[in-house]
Parts: sequence; C-alpha cells; structure tokens
Amino acid sequence: IAGITQAPTSQILAAGRRMTLRCTQDMRHNAMYWYRQDLGLGLRLIHYSNTAGTTGKGEVPDGYSVSRANTDDFPLTLASAVPSQTSVYFCASSDETSGYNEQFFGPGTRLTVL
Amino acid sequence: GQNIDQPTEMTATEGAIVQINCTYQTSGFNGLFWYQQHAGEAPTFLSYNVLDGLEEKGRFSSFLSRSKGYSYLLLKELQMKDSASYLCAVKDSNYQLIWGAGTKLIIKP
Repeated sequence: IAGITQAPTSQILAAGRRMTLRCTQDMRHNAMYWYRQDLGLGLRLIHYSNTAGTTGKGEVPDGYSVSRANTDDFPLTLASAVPSQTSVYFCASSDETSGYNEQFFGPGTRLTVL
Repeated sequence: GQNIDQPTEMTATEGAIVQINCTYQTSGFNGLFWYQQHAGEAPTFLSYNVLDGLEEKGRFSSFLSRSKGYSYLLLKELQMKDSASYLCAVKDSNYQLIWGAGTKLIIKP
C-alpha cells in the first residue's frame, strides 16, 4: 500500500441497505477525513478524526457514522442508504503534528443509491 | 456563514498564462490551499499560503492577501495536461478545510 486506498471503487446500492466504505492509509497520519463531492458543490466534510479513538462531525454528518479504532483505518458507514447519498466519497489524511498539513486524498468511491 | 467563491469555468490557450481567483469569508484563517483535480480523479495538492505574498513553484504561483480575503493561482506556459478543476480551500478557526466549488479550466490548442 502506498498512500491512501479506498474500497470499493464504485457501488450501486438499493435504498435502505447498509453500506460501509473502507479507507486505509499507510503514512501514519494522525488525522483522517471523509468528504462527499457533488456536481457544482465543493467538497463537504462528513466526519473527521484528529487521532485514533476520537471522531468529530463535519458539515453534513446526518445518515453517516465513522469509527477510528487504529491509526490506519477510518471506515464510513451508511446505516440506511437514501438516494440523496448518491455521490463521490473521498477519504483523506493529514499529518496535523507538522506545520504544513496538506491533505492527501484516496482515489474515491462512486456510490449510487437507487 | 462561511463562503469560498471561485469562477465556475475558465478557458485559456496552450502556452498562455491564466489567473484563477478565489475570495473567502471564513470564521478564522489558518492557511489557504490550492488543489488540482482531473476529471474522475482525486484532488492533489498544489500550493499553500499562510502569509501575504506570492509563493512560486515552477509554472504555478499562488498569491494571498489576508486583509482582502483574496487569493489567486497563476498558471504559466499552459499545457494541455493542465486542463482540470482547481479547488481553493481555507483552513478555518477549527482547523477544518472549507472548500470552494472549484474552477474548471479548459485549455485550447
């Protein structure tokens, strides 16, 4: 693994189903993020984690949950998917212990909820 | 509320220079980032400004004026591969990134 990986690459999901998007990083970054990107809108933060064991809500957290059991993994769960959750989901990480803290992004998961 | 404004789309000619503007109103300021995003791909980091002035990195430069809430990204010697969306993002008082909707740059031969 080099950088951040996400799985699956794409998924079509029936409304009401539960779905977990996976995200793993190998850079030992303390902070991780989940964004959704919709046409015409900027990236919107769903949830974040500043360090393993802690999580926080972003701008659009409703309908989503996250966990951060260790440094590397940050899964995003949709408990009961709805069509408005159709989007491209990006996981990102950053080293917030340094002064620069650029965010590195995974390749994204394209999710369609029907 | 917090707001980042960028033009939706710009067109430029190969070999030319283009300036993409970004204005922001955020609760606090802890740096401004520019990212490049090719269609269907993830954003990748281009530049970071936290102090006023110009940061130059090869063909790309980024400028910041904190008093005016304004930044621009300058791309020189445009190449076809520079066709992409350019995202402006500001780190607010909570150290979270607030993102603009992005500027789609179209390069014509």
